Amino acid sequence: QKEVEQDPGPLSVPEGAIVSLNCTYSNSAFQYFMWYRQYSRKGPELLMYTYSSGNKEDGRFTAQVDKSSKYISLFIRDSQPSDSATYLCASLPSSNTGKLIFGQGTTLQVKP
Amino acid sequence: NAGVMQNPRHLVRRRGQEARLRCSPMKGHSHVYWYRQLPEEGLKFMVYLQKENIIDESGMPKERFSAEFPKEGPSILRIQQVVRGDSAAYFCASSPPGTVNTEAFFGQGTRLTVV
Repeated sequence: QKEVEQDPGPLSVPEGAIVSLNCTYSNSAFQYFMWYRQYSRKGPELLMYTYSSGNKEDGRFTAQVDKSSKYISLFIRDSQPSDSATYLCASLPSSNTGKLIFGQGTTLQVKP
Repeated sequence: NAGVMQNPRHLVRRRGQEARLRCSPMKGHSHVYWYRQLPEEGLKFMVYLQKENIIDESGMPKERFSAEFPKEGPSILRIQQVVRGDSAAYFCASSPPGTVNTEAFFGQGTRLTVV
């Protein structure tokens, strides 16, 4: 079993839709949870990170962590064609390790 | 403030040759991480370095791969005697002192093709 699981998609939505991207993780020691966006043939770009359970909002993006169910979510409101990319979730066991554990990534296409 | 710089962007090597990938972290960053991304797969951690020290190399293959981050100059990921299975995108990330990976910024990657 992979430590972080993510449905690879692809996920296709019309412009303006609310997008829900999800991951599950298996290691209850994970404390930090990140979402990265990766455009084709580019490096990953950090969107946001959360510590432990709860929600975090940044503009059109909301990250949500439910540690009881080991579930990580990213919501994108009013999706735009420019949001078309691969979205990677990642986890860190603690703040003093450099080893990010990534999911496989979900490919999102937002159609105009 | 320039981002994380990786070079070359594309590298072609014949089987058995050596590949050298370079990474210059962002200004003021003292932590460097290397990840590998195989086609249709997520990023896999390889190694975490600070200046002149390897902190965690648990993701590095036992043979042919090595990494360094000298006091002066870029971090280097070296792959000796490359094989076709080494073909992948290699990403470097860096973070400031005290934050470890929660604020890591990635470079654009080096795409290695072994022919």
